[in-house]
Amino acid sequence: DGGITQSPKYLFRKEGQNVTLSCEQNLNHDAMYWYRQDPGQGLRLIYYSQIVNDFQKGDIAEGYSVSREKKESFPLTVTSAQKNPTAFYLCASSLGTGMANEQFFGPGTRLTVL
Amino acid sequence: RKEVEQDPGPFNVPEGATVAFNCTYSNSASQSFFWYRQDCRKEPKLLMSVYSSGNEDGRFTAQLNRASQYISLLIRDSKLSDSATYLCVVTLSGGYQKVTFGTGTKLQVIP
Repeated sequence: DGGITQSPKYLFRKEGQNVTLSCEQNLNHDAMYWYRQDPGQGLRLIYYSQIVNDFQKGDIAEGYSVSREKKESFPLTVTSAQKNPTAFYLCASSLGTGMANEQFFGPGTRLTVL
Repeated sequence: RKEVEQDPGPFNVPEGATVAFNCTYSNSASQSFFWYRQDCRKEPKLLMSVYSSGNEDGRFTAQLNRASQYISLLIRDSKLSDSATYLCVVTLSGGYQKVTFGTGTKLQVIP
């Protein structure tokens, strides 16, 4: 089955620790994205990647880092510099970043900072 | 003004009713539009794209009004399973298609 997987589903972290969220897709999509969703707010873009070995900051990149070493994988690291990291993190992919390329989402990771 | 605005609801409707949501966007250069559905604590899933001429998929109809800068979603014969949050998505063209998600409209279909 083709799709996007994210792991873990739930993650708890102590304040001051870095944590890495996994995102893998086997859809052969070029573009991948990371969003966070907070209650009552829309999805906000953290980072996106249009192609392997390239990525760009989104609207709220501070305190986050990513890598894109393989087409299938786009891990997100939430660093201790992120002031309010507790949120629902969603990874998505699309064929490309051209118009009308709908995004497909993974099941998400709920991160809670204790 | 927000780039994409939706009435958060909730819209509480009885089974079998027809319900419509609107979503307004601020940038007249916006070129692609989508409706996503998001169930509680789940990821968004594409419901339908919105074409200039309007499009229908079963009980769902999407319309685009460029003059007034809004898109709409009409659901006929509401089912309990339609209960969810409906997200409006607007994209701008460019080297990277800037994608903006609305905050969603919550629908609750009541037996």
